[in-house]
Amino acid sequence: AQKVTQAQTEISVVEKEDVTLDCVYETRDTTYYLFWYKQPPSGELVFLIRRNSFDEQNEISGRYSWNFQKSTSSFNFTITASQVVDSAVYFCALSEARDSWGKLQFGAGTQVVVTP
Amino acid sequence: NAGVTQTPKFQVLKTGQSMTLQCAQDMNHNSMYWYRQDPGMGLRLIYYSASEGTTDKGEVPNGYNVSRLNKREFSLRLESAAPSQTSVYFCASSELGRGQAKNIQYFGAGTRLSVL
Repeated sequence: AQKVTQAQTEISVVEKEDVTLDCVYETRDTTYYLFWYKQPPSGELVFLIRRNSFDEQNEISGRYSWNFQKSTSSFNFTITASQVVDSAVYFCALSEARDSWGKLQFGAGTQVVVTP
Repeated sequence: NAGVTQTPKFQVLKTGQSMTLQCAQDMNHNSMYWYRQDPGMGLRLIYYSASEGTTDKGEVPNGYNVSRLNKREFSLRLESAAPSQTSVYFCASSELGRGQAKNIQYFGAGTRLSVL
């Protein structure tokens, strides 16, 4: 069963618009990590952020912000004032303590297209 | 600092041929992973090695074997390639445990494999 769901397959925006990517996860563990990775057209995966299950404090880092809500099992990611360089596939991923942290379970990804 | 290096970047095989994908990391990480990425399915774990000398199956291990040659190197072998193994393969490494820098997986640039 899919443990990480990214319902949005593709989002298209015009530059300077905000983009919010949804991620819903499923776990029975009380201790887990959530991640966002970015995959630009060049193909490599770039780590963006990690949050542990005990830290629900939301954060802003430059144009990126994250909204972690355990009550709804969601870990959403927002790009403010999008730029063409933000065009990429964004993956949400889950790591559970039961797997000794080793296994990352990825969502299917959301393609973000930012046009000038 | 090279991070995670994968070779080759591209490969075309005929059905039934064998090949080994190479991966090396220079971050002194204990754990290494092999994933495959198929369209619309995110990344799926093939095999992982939590530490030197150990390997374990992931979500989709059939048709693959791995070798943790030493702490730096983790190879993935296809003994008899099949068209269903056409995919992009990613190697990753991480340091497992609790703490700020732990459990973040860093990825190589990927190997694009086509099996005809």
